[in-house]
Amino acid sequence: ETGVTQTPRHLVMGMTNKKSLKCEQHLGHNAMYWYKQSAKKPLELMFVYSLEERVENNSVPSRFSPECPNSSHLFLHLHTLQPEDSALYLCASSQGGSGSLHEQYFGPGTRLTVT
Amino acid sequence: AQSVSQHNHHVILSEAASLELGCNYSYGGTVNLFWYVQYPGQHLQLLLKYFSGDPLVKGIKGFEAEFIKSKFSFNLRKPSVQWSDTAEYFCAVGAGSYQLTFGKGTKLSVIP
Repeated sequence: ETGVTQTPRHLVMGMTNKKSLKCEQHLGHNAMYWYKQSAKKPLELMFVYSLEERVENNSVPSRFSPECPNSSHLFLHLHTLQPEDSALYLCASSQGGSGSLHEQYFGPGTRLTVT
Repeated sequence: AQSVSQHNHHVILSEAASLELGCNYSYGGTVNLFWYVQYPGQHLQLLLKYFSGDPLVKGIKGFEAEFIKSKFSFNLRKPSVQWSDTAEYFCAVGAGSYQLTFGKGTKLSVIP
């Protein structure tokens, strides 16, 4: 596997379910990101991890819980979601350095539908 | 907080036509600028980037963009589009440590 991979690619869950999204990067990067992509809205940054420590959390509801066990893996744990949380969830990674931190490499995304 | 504005939601062109997609941002400090592209069914890919130096940057597949600091703009151009350029294009601005702010995207449809 190369680049950034995400599983599952599609997920349908009820509002009372608990599920997790997984992201893995094979690029040797040290920062990882979760984004939400909704129709007709800009990509929204949700969480940033650098060296496995959370460095940014953009006012995301607590029903989204990230976990970064090491620099290659990132999870997004989901529970009691709302229908408006249906979206494409993108994972990205980048290497250190002030400018290059912004040069992010994206995974294919998980299409989440909350019923 | 910075914001990014992409003026066109959907652009339709015939093959061989010239392309220019507008991008303006609002941020007073030093920025890094990017264009990403998302082909149908594929993930976001970096098209080109500007960190410093020559404000005219060249990317993959014949794309280029010009940073005009006085206008807070970073427009994307291509002299002659192909059907394979059909995709959604996102302008993004990086400022601060990790924040990368995206525009809403412009869908480009190229008619053969």
